[in-house]
Amino acid sequence: DIQLTQSPSFLSASVGDRVTITCRASQGIRSHLAWYQQKPGKAPNLLIYAASSLQSGVPSRFSGSGSGTEFTLTVSSLQPEDFATYYCQQLSSYPITFGQGTRLEIK
Amino acid sequence: EVHLLESGGDLIQPGGSLRLSCAGSGFTFSAFAMVWVRQAPGRGLEWVSAIATDHDTNYADSVKGRFTISRDNSKNMLYLQMNSLRAEDSAVYYCAKYTGRAASGSQRVYYFDYWGQGTLVTVSS
Repeated sequence: DIQLTQSPSFLSASVGDRVTITCRASQGIRSHLAWYQQKPGKAPNLLIYAASSLQSGVPSRFSGSGSGTEFTLTVSSLQPEDFATYYCQQLSSYPITFGQGTRLEIK
Repeated sequence: EVHLLESGGDLIQPGGSLRLSCAGSGFTFSAFAMVWVRQAPGRGLEWVSAIATDHDTNYADSVKGRFTISRDNSKNMLYLQMNSLRAEDSAVYYCAKYTGRAASGSQRVYYFDYWGQGTLVTVSS
């Protein structure tokens, strides 16, 4: 199985900050990586697919990069609604796996 | 507008069985793979099962042999039959639309683009 390790697991930041979350895969997954945002009590919401493609309707302050085994999600200028938990996901092979999540909180 | 609505979650005793349903609308249901993803209280996301358009299925090791995914394209319905339930199966279960499509060149891209609101399964005596 392909393991995904996100860092950090917890991040405290302020509105307007630029933040980056890293996701490392235990083996190469080309660009078959997605990022999701989840708010408490809600279903996950797709932000980025194919490592760097922005899902329709997602603000352009979100961006993704990487390929192979190392990926990043960047939020260029945090807004109040961005404080949530973020998950990476690999869809290169079954079983599909998620990272453990990064909780982003307001400083 | 794409809409997915899960149902069937309940409190069930260990060893029991439960069937979850997911009704899809706003898209050509038969043209897309579908998945179940679960989230235990306070925990992360765990992929459970997938069913392709040709009804080919895949399962997480944690549920293989106990859970069965199926679909009825005539009713735009996705199902998850869960048998021999354990306490560790307690979670919110989400269904999601699984898109796999051609991108630039020979690349294909994959993602879960729409999710239901989830249904809670609690396994406890």
